[in-house]
Amino acid sequence: DAEITQSPRHKITETGRQVTLACHQIWNHNNMFWYRQDLGHGLRLIHYSYGVQDTNKGEVSDGYSVSRSNTEDLPLTLESAASSQTSVYFCASSSGTPETQYFGPGTRLLVL
Amino acid sequence: AQSVTQPDIHITVSEGASLELRCNYSYGATPYLFWYVQSPGQGLQLLLKYFSGDTLVQGIKGFEAEFKRSQSSFNLRKPSVHWSDAAEYFCAVAPGYGNKLVFGAGTILRVKS
Repeated sequence: DAEITQSPRHKITETGRQVTLACHQIWNHNNMFWYRQDLGHGLRLIHYSYGVQDTNKGEVSDGYSVSRSNTEDLPLTLESAASSQTSVYFCASSSGTPETQYFGPGTRLLVL
Repeated sequence: AQSVTQPDIHITVSEGASLELRCNYSYGATPYLFWYVQSPGQGLQLLLKYFSGDTLVQGIKGFEAEFKRSQSSFNLRKPSVHWSDAAEYFCAVAPGYGNKLVFGAGTILRVKS
């Protein structure tokens, strides 16, 4: 199975601060994804990347950005954290299309 | 736009009883279909997937799902539920031309002894 790590696992921040959530996968998967999970909404796609230097907006991308400088990492940045961005964030990766997405353990973010 | 509906937010079954979790999708063509399970505080684990071929697919932990094109459904089943199956279950759909997943809202399964 693919292994994806996310850090930090828990984060508390204040409104207006910039926050970066890390995602690292060891399998050189081309595709990487960021989702947020909120009660009653399942997981919603924030941003995704199909390779180095490629980034795309998902369903709920406002207030978030990503960059892909290498195959293994896709950091997610909240430019100016808002209370509405309190959520659990999951990173995922896959090797192709169509292929199974493998999920990291999640980062629980609280914005005060 | 694609959508995935899981009509049941919560389901409670007795240990040893059978289980069926419903999933309906809205999409013009046959998408790729997935069921994931999430235990409390954990990430998502793939139970099974359907890409093509036999419409009854087997997964891990004794789960199976059946794709019914006429009903746009991909229901998850298990003949005998164990207490360790208590978790949240997500149905997801990916279009044929890409790899983005659209998730349902999830169904929380409770198992009573």
